[in-house]
This record gives sequence, C-alpha cells and structure tokens, in this order.
Amino acid sequence: KAGVTQTPRYLIKTRGQQVTLSCSPISGHRSVSWYQQTPGQGLQFLFEYFSETQRNKGNFPGRFSGRQFSNSRSEMNVSTLELGDSALYLCASSLGGSGGVYNEQFFGPGTRLTVL
Amino acid sequence: GDSVTQMEGPVTLSEEAFLTINCTYTATGYPSLFWYVQYPGEGLQLLLKATKADDKGSNKGFEATYRKETTSFHLEKGSVQVSDSAVYFCALSAGSGTYKYIFGTGTRLKVLA
Repeated sequence: KAGVTQTPRYLIKTRGQQVTLSCSPISGHRSVSWYQQTPGQGLQFLFEYFSETQRNKGNFPGRFSGRQFSNSRSEMNVSTLELGDSALYLCASSLGGSGGVYNEQFFGPGTRLTVL
Repeated sequence: GDSVTQMEGPVTLSEEAFLTINCTYTATGYPSLFWYVQYPGEGLQLLLKATKADDKGSNKGFEATYRKETTSFHLEKGSVQVSDSAVYFCALSAGSGTYKYIFGTGTRLKVLA
C-alpha cells in the first residue's frame, strides 16, 4: 500500500506570493491533517479534514486555508506569504474514526517551503 | 487544554547505552499516546503507541508504558545504536470526538560509535 505523498517536496517563494501544497493520503484513509514544523515552534497543528469537511482547526491566521476533495486528497493554501511561513509542512492521514487504531496518523515526507 | 511535555535535548549517548526520554501529558478524558521518530530530511514515522492505561507499546527494541497515575509515557531502549540517531516526538490524541494530535517539542538523540 502506497504511503502518504506530498507535492512538491521543495518550494521557494517570495514574500506576498501565495502557495498551494498537495497531499495524497493512504488509500482508504478519509482524514487528512496538516502541520507546520519549525525549529522554534516545533510541530503545530493547522487543520484536519474528514470527508471534505474541516473538522478541527489550530490557531493559525486566515491566510492558511485548506480543502479536501471527494477522493480524500487535500490541498493547503497560504496567501500573502511572510518570511515566518518558512517551514516544513507535514500532511498526515488516518482512517478518521473515533479512538484507537482509527486515529493513528501516517505522515508524508513533507514540503519544505522557503520564503525569501 | 491538552498538552505534552518532553525532556529537552539534545541527548548524546554512546552506542549500547540505555536510553530514556521522558514524556508527560495533560489531557481530559482518555487519550491515546504515541511516539514518533523523525530521521533527517524525512517526515514522522510512528514508532509505537498505547491506547489505554497500563498498555505497553513496543517496536524495534523501544518500549513505553501508558501510566495514567503519573500521566507519563516515557520512551526507553536498552541498548541504542548509531542508527537510532533522530528526533523523537511524544504525542497524544484526545478521546472520542477530538481528532487533533498534540505533539511535544521533540527530543534530538545523537548516538556516538
């Protein structure tokens, strides 16, 4: 079974631009979560989608948004990029049910975003 | 709110030394607990998990026991190898109805030959 894939793996943008990152979950997984990883803040939860609906959201500004498609693939968008948005963005998928094995998350390799 | 606290790193050990990385948590309800490992340039990989009190998760020689009375989930390994050098994250997933993972800040382990 293929793992979680993320594209692109590396991205360089300039301040003020916008960016879209893509995540393809493991086949059969209906939940996709996004995280931002930086050396200073560690892993911070952005949001989680399940069956095309945002089910949970972290404390990030509205510049960060996402969506999920009917095939469970997810995209994350960041508008008006700031230098502080430079980070590794990780996507994780899970079956998405409640408790136990259903919420075990499997991570992709991440997209390294650099904002200049 | 829910939180996870990990010991600060980096932790530097010689090969075959005993490893302990401390993790304590605060959560309402009955969370599931996880240890993830991140090798350089890669995403996180699930190392082990425990879903209820007194469960012991184990994998690749690593172990952790879910201690509800001390709200802890310490990671241990009897004999570390150079290949174990990585960053280790403790995480919790809160009980039914909450689908958010809370991660600790990560502990970098460096094993010297």
